[in-house]
Formats: sequence, C-alpha cells, structure tokens
Amino acid sequence: DIQMTQSPSSLSASVGDRVTITCRASQSSTFYLNWYQQKPGKAPKLLIYAASSLQSGVPSRFSGSGSGTDFTLTISNLQPEDFATYYCQQTYTTPYTFGQGTKLEIK
Amino acid sequence: EVQLVESGGVVVQPGGSLRLSCAASGFSFDDYTMHWVRQAPGKGLEWVSFISWDGVSTYYADSVKGRFTISRDNSKDSLYLQMNSLRTEDSALYYCVKEEGMTYEFDHWGQGTLVTVSS
Repeated sequence: DIQMTQSPSSLSASVGDRVTITCRASQSSTFYLNWYQQKPGKAPKLLIYAASSLQSGVPSRFSGSGSGTDFTLTISNLQPEDFATYYCQQTYTTPYTFGQGTKLEIK
Repeated sequence: EVQLVESGGVVVQPGGSLRLSCAASGFSFDDYTMHWVRQAPGKGLEWVSFISWDGVSTYYADSVKGRFTISRDNSKDSLYLQMNSLRTEDSALYYCVKEEGMTYEFDHWGQGTLVTVSS
C-alpha cells in the first residue's frame, strides 16, 4: 500500500496569509494526487485533482504542485472560509489512501 | 445537480450485519465507478471499497475484505454496502462517493450515514 504523510498535522495562520501543506507518498503516485477540504460536520470537497488541476468552482487562491512522491497544496491570501481540515489522497493504485489530514486554524 | 443520499446507518451489536444504500441522481449513474469512504468520529478519511460502472470489478480495503460486499443496481441508480461480522472499529460515518476523470478523483460526496457498532 502507498502510505501518505502530510505535514504539518496542524497549522495556525491569519487571514491574508499564504500557507503551504505538504504530502509525501511512500512510493511514486506519479500525478494521481488529489486534495480535499473538509469543514466540521460536512463532507469533504474536492479542491485539486491530478496534482495541480483546479476543480471547477474552486477559488484560484488554491493551487497544487508536485509529482512522484512529493506534493504541495498552497493557499494564497487566506480567507475566513478556508479554515478547515485538508487531506491529500493518492488514486494511483488501490487502496486509494488518504493522508492523515492537516487542520488549518485561525491564529 | 449531482446528489448522493446515503441511508441505513444504525446502532448494531458487534457481530451483526447492516446494509447501507446510496441513492444517486443528477448524473448518468451507470457511467461511473462508485466508492464508499468512511470516517470514524474525530478521525481521518479511510477508503473502503469501489465498484466499476458495470459492477464487474470490485476492490476492498484489507480492513473490510471478506466481511463487506459492495454492489449496485444501475436500474435503480443505487449503490449498496453489505456489512457483515461488524466490529467496534467499523463505527464511522460512511460516505457514498462518485469517481470522476482520468485520475479517479472523488468529485461528489454524499452527506454520510452513521454506523455505530456497540453492545
């Protein structure tokens, strides 16, 4: 199985900041890497697919990069609605594993 | 508008069985691979199972293999998860998820149905 490790596990930031979350795969997942946002009591929402493609309707302040084993999610100009938990996921091979999550909190 | 509505979650004793259902609408259900993903209270996301558009191919996480069975009825636009030999560690919110695209991303999720395994 491909293990996905996110860092940091939690992060405090202010409105207007730029933050980066990293995701490392235990073996290459090429570009089969997705990012999701989950708010309390809600289902996850797809933000980024194929490592760097922005899902329709997602604000352009979200961006993704990377390939192989190392990936990043960057949020520019943080907005109040961006405070949530973020998960990476590889869909290169089953089981389609998720990272443990990164909780983004208001400083 | 794509809608996925799960049902069937209840409190069940260890060793018991349960069948979850997911009613899909707003898209051509029989064109898409579907998944179940679960989330234990306060924990992260765990992929459980998937089924191909035609029901021919199915895959399971090791944690549920041999106990859970995924199925679909394309004539009813419905996805199912038969859960047998339930354990306390199966307690979670179970999401029905639609797969999309060349990189198999999960583009639509239901609101989830809660399964609690407890004596």
